[in-house]
Amino acid sequence: DAKTTQPPSMDCAEGRAANLPCNHSTISGNEYVYWYRQIHSQGPQYIIHGLKNNETNEMASLIITEDRKSSTLILPHATLRDTAVYYCIVRLATGNQFYFGTGTSLTVIP
Amino acid sequence: NAGVTQTPKFRILKIGQSMTLQCTQDMNHNYMYWYRQDPGMGLKLIYYSVGAGITDKGEVPNGYNVSRSTTEDFPLRLELAAPSQTSVYFCASSYSSVGAGNTIYFGEGSWLTVV
Repeated sequence: DAKTTQPPSMDCAEGRAANLPCNHSTISGNEYVYWYRQIHSQGPQYIIHGLKNNETNEMASLIITEDRKSSTLILPHATLRDTAVYYCIVRLATGNQFYFGTGTSLTVIP
Repeated sequence: NAGVTQTPKFRILKIGQSMTLQCTQDMNHNYMYWYRQDPGMGLKLIYYSVGAGITDKGEVPNGYNVSRSTTEDFPLRLELAAPSQTSVYFCASSYSSVGAGNTIYFGEGSWLTVV
């Protein structure tokens, strides 16, 4: 599975959009991009995933560049409860393992 | 549905002791996983299983053993506890990897301290 690179930490003002970047320059054509988040001391929670097209659900939007070498997770209106560590993961659709990196620690500031 | 259930939630072990972390899921998932998370770090895959009777090593398997006798249960065994195994352990499960977008569901974690 391709490796990912994320900034270690970010801040975002409450009510503003939080844009979390992820680089995955070695991604292959059949690998998906997944985003999870982990609120302190809890198990990671699924947010969204995508292959090529941009995706949106009730939690967030995922923007994948045309060359698929990077992506951005967007939380449109960040709240204090969005303070968490966000993990970007690349894996095969038929892969068995999810490999987590160190993620981005997002702090939403009142 | 209860989802993924882990026990115990907290445990203190003495060096050299053995114990088993229990994990069960009621979602009929084929795939199950054990991760550990050290303070301030990401999750590391210890072992995983693609179905009953089948297990395989992840990134950090040394010092651990697993078994998968049923679809529902995936216990993690520590044979000779060492201080380096002090960590938070997460069990997880997912649907079969056939097809795209199979997400992974986590338990609430088990805090283990070895002294």
